[in-house]
Amino acid sequence: ETGVTQSPTHLIKTRGQQVTLRCSSQSGHNTVSWYQQALGQGPQFIFQYYREEENGRGNFPPRFSGLQFPNYSSELNVNALELDDSALYLCASSSSDGEKLFFGSGTQLSVL
Amino acid sequence: SQQGEEDPQALSIQEGENATMNCSYKTSINNLQWYRQNSGRGLVHLILIRSNEREKHSGRLRVTLDTSKKSSSLLITASRAADTASYFCATDINDYKLSFGAGTTVTVRA
Repeated sequence: ETGVTQSPTHLIKTRGQQVTLRCSSQSGHNTVSWYQQALGQGPQFIFQYYREEENGRGNFPPRFSGLQFPNYSSELNVNALELDDSALYLCASSSSDGEKLFFGSGTQLSVL
Repeated sequence: SQQGEEDPQALSIQEGENATMNCSYKTSINNLQWYRQNSGRGLVHLILIRSNEREKHSGRLRVTLDTSKKSSSLLITASRAADTASYFCATDINDYKLSFGAGTTVTVRA
């Protein structure tokens, strides 16, 4: 158990809809990163938040957006869902040095 | 494109045998980490090796790093059924993110 919790665990949406995924970071961690993992692939970096500010972004379009709250929990929002957005979405928290990531169990998103 | 690439893609071994998997990467790194993932769920950190280290041990795990060849290996000794999982290398090039490879799927047969 890492102490990072994600909700929901599974989600089914249709193309064009919007989705919000949530993550509570491990106690004492002020940095949250989001990753997308397609079936059979490694996790791909979406973005990172540090003290409520976006601290870096991967190669994802603007319809992927996020928030970090004062308690360091975080949301990932995806607008105008596409079929290719179907994946496991992983949230990971880390302390300020950011070396080790502590992952949640993920949200499995299916877009039909 | 992914920074790290694991080899082999899949590995099947008998319980008690050793499992070795390799990771190659493209650019200079700050550190390299290995993670394990069971059944498509969250990843678990296994071990971190810094760019100025050549070998590191943690329990039944042994990691080596060769920065001249831009490669790393993970050895799991005396494998158990519970070691069945996917293993990922991740490189930290000090730019706020980890870059993961596609992983090696290890199956340990009883």
